[in-house]
Amino acid sequence: EPEVTQTPSHQVTQMGQEVILRCVPISNHLYFYWYRQILGQKVEFLVSFYNNEISEKSEIFDDQFSVERPDGSNFTLKIRSTKLEDSAMYFCASGTTGTSNQPQHFGDGTRLSIL
Amino acid sequence: GNSVTQMEGPVTLSEEAFLTINCTYTATGYPSLFWYVQYPGEGLQLLLKATKADDKGSNKGFEATYRKETTSFHLEKGSVQVSDSAVYFCALRRNTGFQKLVFGTGTRLLVSP
Repeated sequence: EPEVTQTPSHQVTQMGQEVILRCVPISNHLYFYWYRQILGQKVEFLVSFYNNEISEKSEIFDDQFSVERPDGSNFTLKIRSTKLEDSAMYFCASGTTGTSNQPQHFGDGTRLSIL
Repeated sequence: GNSVTQMEGPVTLSEEAFLTINCTYTATGYPSLFWYVQYPGEGLQLLLKATKADDKGSNKGFEATYRKETTSFHLEKGSVQVSDSAVYFCALRRNTGFQKLVFGTGTRLLVSP
């Protein structure tokens, strides 16, 4: 069964450094998402992306964050200048449509640790 | 706004016990409802879904019924196994705009032999 893949599985970065988290969505999916989960807390929506542009973003997704689909397969999340509070598990998800009755398929996540 | 409330965990059960994890939601309109499961060290996997009132989602022995009158989507399983130990997330997806998932806080289930 096709799956969403994320790399790396664990990223350790110094505060203030830039980090890029990578995702390869399922190949025929058109809608892409990033979520994050701070340790012990709920999974929170960051951003959704469709047709090469952001369709919705949360208040967490400030100017330090950006997303890109640089080619036909990758979907990346960049944090420009990381802060301690950016430490979390980041999940990429993709879906065939944007309609509510279709599930989003998640990757295994990237654990980001900011020192 | 839209939100999901789950019972706090951990829920600790013996193998073959009956499981209920409560989930209630607040939403405008008629969202779709989902249960996701997160096994230790893994990502989120869709467990089951229901897209309209009175729908029952089921998978791997788990069931949940979309109850509009009580705005609930409780997860049940008749006989749990040790391998069911995981964190279970209830989530909704609104039916307007670009439909992000809104998650509950998750409920950890621990099943002992």
